[in-house]
Amino acid sequence: EPEVTQTPSHQVTQMGQEVILRCVPISNHLYFYWYRQILGQKVEFLVSFYNNEISEKSEIFDDQFSVERPDGSNFTLKIRSTKLEDSAMYFCASNWGGMDEQFFGPGTRLTVL
Amino acid sequence: AQTVTQSQPEMSVQEAETVTLSCTYDTSENNYYLFWYKQPPSRQMILVIRQEAYKQQNATENRFSVNFQKAAKSFSLKISDSQLGDTAMYFCAFMKSFNAGGTSYGKLTFGQGTILTVHP
Repeated sequence: EPEVTQTPSHQVTQMGQEVILRCVPISNHLYFYWYRQILGQKVEFLVSFYNNEISEKSEIFDDQFSVERPDGSNFTLKIRSTKLEDSAMYFCASNWGGMDEQFFGPGTRLTVL
Repeated sequence: AQTVTQSQPEMSVQEAETVTLSCTYDTSENNYYLFWYKQPPSRQMILVIRQEAYKQQNATENRFSVNFQKAAKSFSLKISDSQLGDTAMYFCAFMKSFNAGGTSYGKLTFGQGTILTVHP
């Protein structure tokens, strides 16, 4: 069964460093999403991406964040200068149609020291 | 903006019993979708059940069913014949039906979650 994959599973970085979180959505899906979950808290929407552009973003998704689909298979989230409060689990999700079930990846745990 | 509220931080149930998890939401939208997601200790997000707001009939998926009360903006999840593998965090989520030029975007708004523990 096709699945969304994410790498790495755990990333540790120093405050102020840039990180890139990688996702490979399900191959025929057209819509891509990033969510984050700070430990013990709810899952929060960051951004949705369709047709090679951002379709919606939350107030969390400020200028420090960017997304890219560089090669037609990967979908990346970049944080330019990480802060302590960026420590969280980051989930990628994808679906074929915007209203269809979103399939989530296993997440990347980001720890900012 | 939409909000989703789960008022039960934790619930527990005996194996084979039935448990109901509560969820309320606030929206001015008329067309939307509601979901329950399960997050086991592995932290993988797994869709449990989905309800379209325009459908009056409550969705069911095997042992999982919902009680959707649109006027009350309530969307509870009933788990029958609870199994040990049902132990997880359960999130209620809202998605508005949004069309811009024929394209729909699927932002999910989640509640705070309910930790369900099934005891043998």
